Amino acid sequence: ELKVEQNPLFLSMQEEKNYTIYCNYSTTSDRLYWYRQDPGKSLESLFVLLSNGAVKQEGRLMASLDTKARLSTLHITAAVHDLSATYFCAVVRMDSNYQLIWGAGTKLIIKP
Amino acid sequence: EPEVTQTPSHQVTQMGQEVILRCVPISNHLYFYWYRQILGQKVEFLVSFYNNEISEKSEIFDDQFSVERPDGSNFTLKIRSTKLEDSAMYFCASRQEGISNQPQHFGDGTRLSIL
Repeated sequence: ELKVEQNPLFLSMQEEKNYTIYCNYSTTSDRLYWYRQDPGKSLESLFVLLSNGAVKQEGRLMASLDTKARLSTLHITAAVHDLSATYFCAVVRMDSNYQLIWGAGTKLIIKP
Repeated sequence: EPEVTQTPSHQVTQMGQEVILRCVPISNHLYFYWYRQILGQKVEFLVSFYNNEISEKSEIFDDQFSVERPDGSNFTLKIRSTKLEDSAMYFCASRQEGISNQPQHFGDGTRLSIL
């Protein structure tokens, strides 16, 4: 059974600091997604990671995937208040029709 | 940019009543999904739908749940006899066929409150 674990679950940080969110998953998968959710809002796709060693960057966010270690990271560089949100990783179950199995989410609060 | 739309945004229903949650997926998408998110918890898969039939469903999706695509555009989730524990945010998502690097696109969700 595919399980997805994120850590930390809660992160409070100052602006301009760097930090990393980790996403581990328990069985083989070839697709991993990062989503952002603002309070009471929908799930916004940030990154799609398809292969081992994939790295994608958008602004102050960078995501990477190590399929051998079954680990993805979301790195935040020089955080700004606008990045405050909950970040989810979601992994596609291999024997499925793109069913997503979700991590618990990391609630990120960036203080000015 | 095309988007998934869901109605209503908030539904309040008495326990035991039936509810229908509606979704209009992106027009050229062929895979459809329902997920739910209980307040403060992780997103959970309910069901996937392709070619006018359910392709997968989770343990949560029991006999009280059903989905259909009645008119080729709407994609509905019905809960026949609601329970208190059905209170959650329900998200519809759709995906393009054959585009492996595309994510599922989510609607804004329907907040279902069971009293």
